[in-house]
Amino acid sequence: SQTIHQWPATLVQPVGSPLSLECTVEGTSNPNLYWYRQAAGRGLQLLFYSVGIGQISSEVPQNLSASRPQDRQFILSSKKLLLSDSGFYLCAWSVGSASGNTIYFGEGSWLTVV
Amino acid sequence: DQQVKQNSPSLSVQEGRISILNCDYTNSMFDYFLWYKKYPAEGPTFLISISSIKDKNEDGRFTVFLNKSAKHLSLHIVPSQPGDSAVYFCAASGWNNNDMRFGAGTRLTVKP
Repeated sequence: SQTIHQWPATLVQPVGSPLSLECTVEGTSNPNLYWYRQAAGRGLQLLFYSVGIGQISSEVPQNLSASRPQDRQFILSSKKLLLSDSGFYLCAWSVGSASGNTIYFGEGSWLTVV
Repeated sequence: DQQVKQNSPSLSVQEGRISILNCDYTNSMFDYFLWYKKYPAEGPTFLISISSIKDKNEDGRFTVFLNKSAKHLSLHIVPSQPGDSAVYFCAASGWNNNDMRFGAGTRLTVKP
């Protein structure tokens, strides 16, 4: 069966520091990978998605970037964090991008920028 | 842009009764709809889905209804249990998952 893990689960970072959140998927090949952020009262916002190694699409302009160095690894990064980057970040995957493919989420990572 | 809307931020029901969570969408190109359940500090878990060729899908205590003409879907939970207390997100996607959009969520509280 497929599993998805992301880490760290929680972190507190000072403004201006770098960020690296990692996500790995097991039990499937060539998954579509996603990074979402949950903002209070606004549901889940798609930040990045990737259909293959090295292929990243950004949904919203922001202080963050994503990379996919391996087939089942997805990394969310920032060079310098802002206070507004605080939130709950979710990695997710799907078998393909065609409609009808359910997206499955990881456990989430709480980021607090102080 | 809020293409998927859940207008009720919270809902409280008594154990054993029916819970009805509602969701509206604006994009007529959406053809796949999902409900996710989320506990605090955890990732959402997939609950049930429906494609636009159907108007009802049932899985145990959970039933999703789709009214395409009204661009409305609902999730019915019967009977409701205290363990159902969580935030429920409605989601919709069009021709691919990369345009899946989520509602803001409805917090369901089931009272014993």
